[in-house]
Amino acid sequence: KAGVTQTPRYLIKTRGQQVTLSCSPISGHRSVSWYQQTPGQGLQFLFEYFSETQRNKGNFPGRFSGRQFSNSRSEMNVSTLELGDSALYLCASSHLEFQETQYFGPGTRLLVL
Amino acid sequence: SQQGEEDPQALSIQEGENATMNCSYKTSINNLQWYRQNSGRGLVHLILIRSNEREKHSGRLRVTLDTSKKSSSLLITASRAADTASYFCAAIYNFNKFYFGSGTKLNVKP
Repeated sequence: KAGVTQTPRYLIKTRGQQVTLSCSPISGHRSVSWYQQTPGQGLQFLFEYFSETQRNKGNFPGRFSGRQFSNSRSEMNVSTLELGDSALYLCASSHLEFQETQYFGPGTRLLVL
Repeated sequence: SQQGEEDPQALSIQEGENATMNCSYKTSINNLQWYRQNSGRGLVHLILIRSNEREKHSGRLRVTLDTSKKSSSLLITASRAADTASYFCAAIYNFNKFYFGSGTKLNVKP
């Protein structure tokens, strides 16, 4: 089976812009989660989607949003970008249950200037 | 904070030696997982230990869980240069909260 894929791999944006990141889970996996990784804050959970519904959510402002499509592919959107949004954004999928083993994609590295 | 805390933050050893990393957490968990991350890449799942388990093995990996002390340890035996990476524990609470530790950077010198 192909692994989790994320596009784009690298992205440079300026403050105030918005960005959309994409994630394709492992075939058959229905749970998709998003994480932000920064040197200062470490790995932080953003949200989890299952069957097109947001099932769990971390403590991030409303500028961070996501959605999941019927084929389980997911997108994450960040509006009004701030310098502090520069990070590695990781997507992970699991078969059914969020709390079980997660399979991570390679990440999208976002730099906000 | 409910995040897991790991120590040491960094560990440097020679190839062939064992590496031990520790993780502490703050409340009752459903399970605890260990992941490896090579520089700037995605995480790779290593092992999952459930709250009712005390020890688990997978190849050169041995994980222990002490729920009374709210701690877990990951032992990598006979380390190799290819084990050089950051290792994270992830504590899962309430079946829907996933908190990662701060990570241990392991450097295995050939």
